[in-house]
Amino acid sequence: KQEVTQIPAALSVPEGENLVLNCSFTDSAIYNLQWFRQDPGKGLTSLLLIQSSQREQTSGRLNASLDKSSGRSTLYIAASQPGDSATYLCAVRQGGYNNDMRFGAGTRLTVKP
Amino acid sequence: GAGVSQSPSNKVTEKGKDVELRCDPISGHTALYWYRQSLGQGLEFLIYFQGNSAPDKSGLPSDRFSAERTGGSVSTLTIQRTQQEDSAVYLCASSQGLPEQFFGPGTRLTVL
Repeated sequence: KQEVTQIPAALSVPEGENLVLNCSFTDSAIYNLQWFRQDPGKGLTSLLLIQSSQREQTSGRLNASLDKSSGRSTLYIAASQPGDSATYLCAVRQGGYNNDMRFGAGTRLTVKP
Repeated sequence: GAGVSQSPSNKVTEKGKDVELRCDPISGHTALYWYRQSLGQGLEFLIYFQGNSAPDKSGLPSDRFSAERTGGSVSTLTIQRTQQEDSAVYLCASSQGLPEQFFGPGTRLTVL
């Protein structure tokens, strides 16, 4: 059974700092991996999706990498801002099935002004 | 355009009562999912609807949980005889094919 772990559970950084969030998964046979952002009282917003054949994806100040063989992904946030404060969730899709998605518990990020 | 909406946003109920949670997916999306997010836990898959096919109920934790989707659009998740361990945020998502799911804001359920 696929297990997804995110470390750390919570992170607090000063504004402007670069940071890395980690996600690990136990079964490397994944279809894709997705990073989401969740704000309090709101649903999940997709940030980046990496297909199993890809190594990384970039969007603005965000860069996500994928190392399937080691079962790891990182989300790099450059020049963090207070508006980046949220919970970041990692999810892996095991196969090409719509219902086969496993989520980590998330990393709660606080960026202090 | 409207996203996925859920109602109510918050629900407080007493142990043993039944509750109904509603999800309005994005118009035209054929797939609809329900997830549960307990405190400190990742999202737990509950049930998946795809078009007119039989739903995948493999994630429902007990027979107290059920869901239906009427007319291929609105879905209702029903929890009978609620227990305190049912307290969680219930999230609904919809999609039109892989890979992206669009999530609603969730319903926070508190069972006293």
